[in-house]
Amino acid sequence: AQTVTQSQPEMSVQEAETVTLSCTYDTSESDYYLFWYKQPPSRQMILVIRQEAYKQQNATENRFSVNFQKAAKSFSLKISDSQLGDAAMYFCAYTEGNNDMRFGAGTRLTVKP
Amino acid sequence: NAGVTQTPKFQVLKTGQSMTLQCAQDMNHEYMSWYRQDPGMGLRLIHYSVGAGITDQGEVPNGYNVSRSTTEDFPLRLLSAAPSQTSVYFCASSYSPGQGNEKLFFGSGTQLSVL
Repeated sequence: AQTVTQSQPEMSVQEAETVTLSCTYDTSESDYYLFWYKQPPSRQMILVIRQEAYKQQNATENRFSVNFQKAAKSFSLKISDSQLGDAAMYFCAYTEGNNDMRFGAGTRLTVKP
Repeated sequence: NAGVTQTPKFQVLKTGQSMTLQCAQDMNHEYMSWYRQDPGMGLRLIHYSVGAGITDQGEVPNGYNVSRSTTEDFPLRLLSAAPSQTSVYFCASSYSPGQGNEKLFFGSGTQLSVL
């Protein structure tokens, strides 16, 4: 089964600085989708960004961008100009577009004022 | 827009009790699923459904039953609760796989404690 690994249980960043969260995955497929979800203390799961594996261009959503390295099976999330509201658990997720989405264990991000 | 609605938000059970977690969506999504979230383990798929009358097991199905009689509803049943089922449960829905929109819409979660 495909696995998703987030090697950083906790990260911290100073407000207005940039932080990168790491994610690697294991798959033998060539077509798949990758996601980053944010979970604030409210517990709600919020989609941050999505990447299709067939697209070489890295996805960007405002202050959030990814570094997708298909050959290395790496999918890191960069948060620029960090804000206090970015503090949350971040989950990396993988799916082949079927009925099974696999999540990493999560990275807890703290933003220091 | 209600999106995905889960009830209850919190529940405490005694070992051996049964209960049903409710999930409803108003987006006409064919695909619905249940996940459990445990510390250090992310979210794991329990059961899923690709349409009314069709359900299948995910990664951790033991101890849980599901049914899908309508497109809107996908309840999760615990027949005999065990302390190992203490977790946060999320219901999620999406458009049918293969349509190019695999984004999951999540409910707000249910915190379940089994004593």
